[in-house]
Amino acid sequence: AQKVTQAQTEISVVEKEDVTLDCVYETRDTTYYLFWYKQPPSGELVFLIRRNSFDEQNEISGRYSWNFQKSTSSFNFTITASQVVDSAVYFCALSERNRDDKIIFGKGTRLHILP
Amino acid sequence: DTAVSQTPKYLVTQMGNDKSIKCEQNLGHDTMYWYKQDSKKFLKIMFSYNNKELIINETVPNRFSPKSPDKAHLNLHINSLELGDSAVYFCASSRLPSGANVLTFGAGSRLTVL
Repeated sequence: AQKVTQAQTEISVVEKEDVTLDCVYETRDTTYYLFWYKQPPSGELVFLIRRNSFDEQNEISGRYSWNFQKSTSSFNFTITASQVVDSAVYFCALSERNRDDKIIFGKGTRLHILP
Repeated sequence: DTAVSQTPKYLVTQMGNDKSIKCEQNLGHDTMYWYKQDSKKFLKIMFSYNNKELIINETVPNRFSPKSPDKAHLNLHINSLELGDSAVYFCASSRLPSGANVLTFGAGSRLTVL
């Protein structure tokens, strides 16, 4: 069973628009961790955020914000006033405390910000 | 200084050959990983070592053999390369083996098997 679902394979928006990347996860553990990573065209993978299952507080970092909702098993990522430099593949990931602690990545969402 | 460095960045080789990819981290982390990213960008863990000890070994053909001479190095050797091995291989490290830890990735090594 797929543990992390990023249903949006590819999204294109015009610069300055807001965009939300969806992430739905599946776990039976009560303790787990959720992550977002960014992979720009240059190819490296960059950590953006980590959330543990006991902290449902939403997070804002500049133009980036994350909405964690356990009720819907979602950890969505919103970019406000998007910029061309935001163009990248974004990965949501899950680590379950009782499952060998492996980090399982979603299939990624490719985001195109059009000038 | 690059935190996690992989060499080579690009590798083009013929089917049947044996090749190695090296990885070094200078972060003082205890845990290192190899991930494979296929042409569809799907990232999958292959191996994980904690302080030179193998802790995660996914269902990977035994043509792939990781070696960790010390906790700062994790190399990946691949025997009898096949077309399906073409991918980008990422090395990563984390402070501890727990999945709660943030991964720091290398820049990736793109392997092309002809």
